[in-house]
Amino acid sequence: NAGVMQNPRHLVRRRGQEARLRCSPMKGHSHVYWYRQLPEEGLKFMVYLQKENIIDESGMPKERFSAEFPKEGPSILRIQQVVRGDSAAYFCASSPPGLSGNTIYFGEGSWLTVV
Amino acid sequence: AQKITQTQPGMFVQEKEAVTLDCTYDTSDQSYGLFWYKQPSSGEMIFLIYQGSYDEQNATEGRYSLNFQKARKSANLVISASQLGDSAMYFCAMREGPGNQFYFGTGTSLTVIP
Repeated sequence: NAGVMQNPRHLVRRRGQEARLRCSPMKGHSHVYWYRQLPEEGLKFMVYLQKENIIDESGMPKERFSAEFPKEGPSILRIQQVVRGDSAAYFCASSPPGLSGNTIYFGEGSWLTVV
Repeated sequence: AQKITQTQPGMFVQEKEAVTLDCTYDTSDQSYGLFWYKQPSSGEMIFLIYQGSYDEQNATEGRYSLNFQKARKSANLVISASQLGDSAMYFCAMREGPGNQFYFGTGTSLTVIP
């Protein structure tokens, strides 16, 4: 049973380009979370999605950032017109539905560097 | 208000000693879950331990135990017999709400001294 798969693991983009980060949740998991971790900082919540629905995007910057979790395929975090401040590790996590005892399982992260 | 507060940015502990990492949380829900994760220098997030709000016993997983004090809204992680490999960032998290949202603290950096 494969874990949460994120790709690419490392991505370098020039300022102004687009970055697309993909996340395939664990089998049977219908909830996906995206977090951003800046150097030497904790995890900042960005967005919480279920299949075809955005449940909570209160942590997403208002511009340039978007996320989706289509019926088929991975969840995508898209950053348009990247700036140096977008350089960070982006973690995806997934969980099954329900509260009791269900933790979220993280992917290994995608490290975005904007040059 | 912060949902999860970790007041210790950095901690040091002697190898083989026990250490407690503090975590307080804020919720008005009756049903919630509390979690601890470890992030070593390699970057991955590793789940350590879970405590449900209705669990009366403190959770334990090997050398990890969660000191759950519901009235104080605290969920401290205790690591017994520290090992060098325990050096890492530790994050406390809470799952709550109708949407089962997950909230993380800012983390505590633990260094185990030989």
